[in-house]
Amino acid sequence: EIVLTQSPATLSLSPGERATLSCRASQRVSSYLAWYQQKPGQAPRLLIYGASNRATGFPARFSASGSGTDFTLTISSLEPEDFAVYYCQQRSNWPPVYSFGQGTKLEIK
Amino acid sequence: QLQLQESGPGLVKPSETLSLTCTVSGGSLSSSNYYWGWIRQPPGKGLEWIGNIYYSGSTYYNPSLKSRATISVDTSKNQFSLKLSSVTAADTGVYYCAALREGNNWSLFDYWGQGTLVTVSS
Repeated sequence: EIVLTQSPATLSLSPGERATLSCRASQRVSSYLAWYQQKPGQAPRLLIYGASNRATGFPARFSASGSGTDFTLTISSLEPEDFAVYYCQQRSNWPPVYSFGQGTKLEIK
Repeated sequence: QLQLQESGPGLVKPSETLSLTCTVSGGSLSSSNYYWGWIRQPPGKGLEWIGNIYYSGSTYYNPSLKSRATISVDTSKNQFSLKLSSVTAADTGVYYCAALREGNNWSLFDYWGQGTLVTVSS
């Protein structure tokens, strides 16, 4: 089973600052890596898929990169609405088994 | 645009079976474009994938839950369901249904229900 480890657990930053979130997999996950944003009381929302493709509705300040076992989500200049919990998610090749990281809480400093 | 809505009891007794249904609108459950999944979130904790069902009827489950989870589809009602047997307090949480799309080297849950809280307690 592939385990995803996200760091840091909590990231305290101010609006306008740059946020860098990490997701490390215990085994190679190819490009089956997605990121989700979750705000309190809401369902998660797809943010990034295929490791680096931004989903509809998210602005260009969100970007992601990585391959193999190390992936990064970057928010170039934080807006107030970006403070939320971010999860990475992977799918193993076969059989298809999915897992999520434990999340990074991005909070206002 | 797909819409998903979970329904089912909010309170289940320990050792009993949790049963939830997800009603899909805006698209057909028989479509080959989507697969259908369940994900849960214990209070204050992260997301846990429970399992998926594909339009072919094939099912895949989280190995940690496989022996207790069953996902099925009712295409006549455009619904899919989750049954989780022998529940304990550790199964308490918000349960989400979601639509999964996959392509060459990408996989994503792009539509989610609002979630339903299930509490396991006597």
